[in-house]
Parts: sequence; structure tokens; C-alpha cells
Amino acid sequence: DTAVSQTPKYLVTQMGNDKSIKCEQNLGHDTMYWYKQDSKKFLKIMFSYNNKELIINETVPNRFSPKSPDKAHLNLHINSLELGDSAVYFCASSQVGWQMNTEAFFGQGTRLTVV
Amino acid sequence: GENVEQHPSTLSVQEGDSAVIKCTYSDSASNYFPWYKQELGKGPQLIIDIRSNVGEKKDQRIAVTLNKTAKHFSLHITETQPEDSAVYFCAAPLSSGSARQLTFGSGTQLTVLP
Repeated sequence: DTAVSQTPKYLVTQMGNDKSIKCEQNLGHDTMYWYKQDSKKFLKIMFSYNNKELIINETVPNRFSPKSPDKAHLNLHINSLELGDSAVYFCASSQVGWQMNTEAFFGQGTRLTVV
Repeated sequence: GENVEQHPSTLSVQEGDSAVIKCTYSDSASNYFPWYKQELGKGPQLIIDIRSNVGEKKDQRIAVTLNKTAKHFSLHITETQPEDSAVYFCAAPLSSGSARQLTFGSGTQLTVLP
């Protein structure tokens, strides 16, 4: 069974659209994350979410919003998509969140292309 | 701000040789240092990690060393094989307000030449 799964794997959309990426983890972890990987492979954290407490990276535009219906899911909603949003987005989870001293498990990524 | 610096950005070695990747971090309170391997089209996967109470950890052909005083840690891969070719990331939990967030280095593209 896949530990952290994301859908879709590929997403191509036009500028200005609103889109969502879904993420589910079956590891029983308390904390989930969204990372953005740009074309130079740089991985940057966007959000951390633990027991309904959200920590937002200050550089993330407010067009991006995480939604967590329950502990096993953390979806990413993006409004008014821009060309610069094109990247690979990774969902991850870990058992202990805020100190980040345990392994983070990553999904396979969603390649978002905005045209 | 707090960051993690990683060098080199690219590394090519002959099969059977060793590879070393180095990282430095800025937050002296960081206590956990993982290394991730990312293969093409996949998400990063943990290959080894070390905590601040030890200086070295080894797992078969992979080892990590930590110098807390100098705030740097390194990944060592011995007897490299073509399947070791991938992007490798170091990471450290750095302060972000009241919490810590796992911050990644910029990555090293390792190519093992047969």
C-alpha cells in the first residue's frame, strides 16, 4: 500500500483557473506538509498542518490554501493560477510535527503546468 | 534567515569510487539531520539520518558524519553503483516562528559513470 498518495500526478491548466491537488496518508501520522519543487530541484516548504494548527511559510501567496477534512488528508487549493506556479508539488507526512526530528514520507509528486 | 547550504550541486564519479556531499546549517538548535535521495519522477526518500548526540552513523555503503561545533554534516557513499545516480538532499529542522520546519539544501545531482 502506498504510504502517501497524491492525485493527480500531472495537471495542465490555463492561467486564471482554480485547481486542487489531493493528498492522503495511511501511516497514522499527525502532521502533513506541502512542499514546492521548482525547475532547479529546490524543495521549499509551503505549509505544515498538525491537529488543525496551520503554519504557513510567509512567502506563500494567499492564493494557495490547504484544506484538511481529517488527519489523513491534506488537500491543496490554488486560486487564480499563474505561470510561476508551474512546479512539482509534494505532499509529505511525519509522526512528530513541530520539532521535525523524525522521518518525513513523501508522495510521488504532482507536476503542475500552467499555460 | 535560517538556511541549509549544500555542495556540490553536481558530482560525477566513476563506478566503484566514493562520493561525498557536504552541508552546513545556521540554526545551532537543530538536532536532526536527514539525507534524502530523489530518483527521477519520484518523491524524496530518506536514506540515512543522524541525531545531534552522535558524530557518525553508517548503513552499509552509506555514512553520515556530523560536526555540531562547525554546524556541518556530510554524506559519504562508498563503492558507488550506477543505481546510486540521483539527486541527494540534506535537510535540517530550522526555526520558523514557534515551530521548526524541515528545510532542504539545494540538492546534489550525483552521476555514477559505469
